[in-house]
Amino acid sequence: GIQVEQSPPDLILQEGANSTLRCNFSDSVNNLQWFHQNPWGQLINLFYIPSGTKQNGRLSATTVATERYSLLYISSSQTTDSGVYFCAVERYNFGNEKLTFGTGTRLTIIP
Amino acid sequence: DAGVIQSPRHEVTEMGQEVTLRCKPISGHNSLFWYRQTMMRGLELLIYFNNNVPIDDSGMPEDRFSAKMPNASFSTLKIQPSEPRDSAVYFCASTPGRTGELFFGEGSRLTVL
Repeated sequence: GIQVEQSPPDLILQEGANSTLRCNFSDSVNNLQWFHQNPWGQLINLFYIPSGTKQNGRLSATTVATERYSLLYISSSQTTDSGVYFCAVERYNFGNEKLTFGTGTRLTIIP
Repeated sequence: DAGVIQSPRHEVTEMGQEVTLRCKPISGHNSLFWYRQTMMRGLELLIYFNNNVPIDDSGMPEDRFSAKMPNASFSTLKIQPSEPRDSAVYFCASTPGRTGELFFGEGSRLTVL
């Protein structure tokens, strides 16, 4: 099956810093999503981004499908950004498509 | 708009007891997924349905686990009998079509003593 690697596994930053999280995948995909799992365990949709660039406030994401990677940018970090960020990908599979999740990047923002 | 709704949010039970977790997907969504999350194994897909029909149950760990989707607005995940190693957070999620943007519920935290 498709492999998803996220880096770095852990990241500790001061409030106000910027960060870039990376997701590499091993095959062509037709779906890619970024999720944030907050310290209370909720899994929140950030971006649905199989290709191109999207922005939502301080967060933006870029997927370069031809080179099999996606980047999540967080600017001016806040303590509420802490948690685990997951990348998940899906490729066409004759009606049996399902997302494969990476192991996540744990982000800790220090006040 | 209401998101994916799961119940109960927390369940503590004793080994051997039956556990039933419930999920209401987002209205209009055609696919429903059950995931399990543990520290050791991360997020695992257990089973998913499309138009109420189970498509892939290869992630269901063993016969003690069963899932049903009797209609488009309700699904259950049942564990009988439960064991301590079933302790985990169980998430339900749904997508608008056969594939697409996935939305999670808040999860059901199960503890089996």
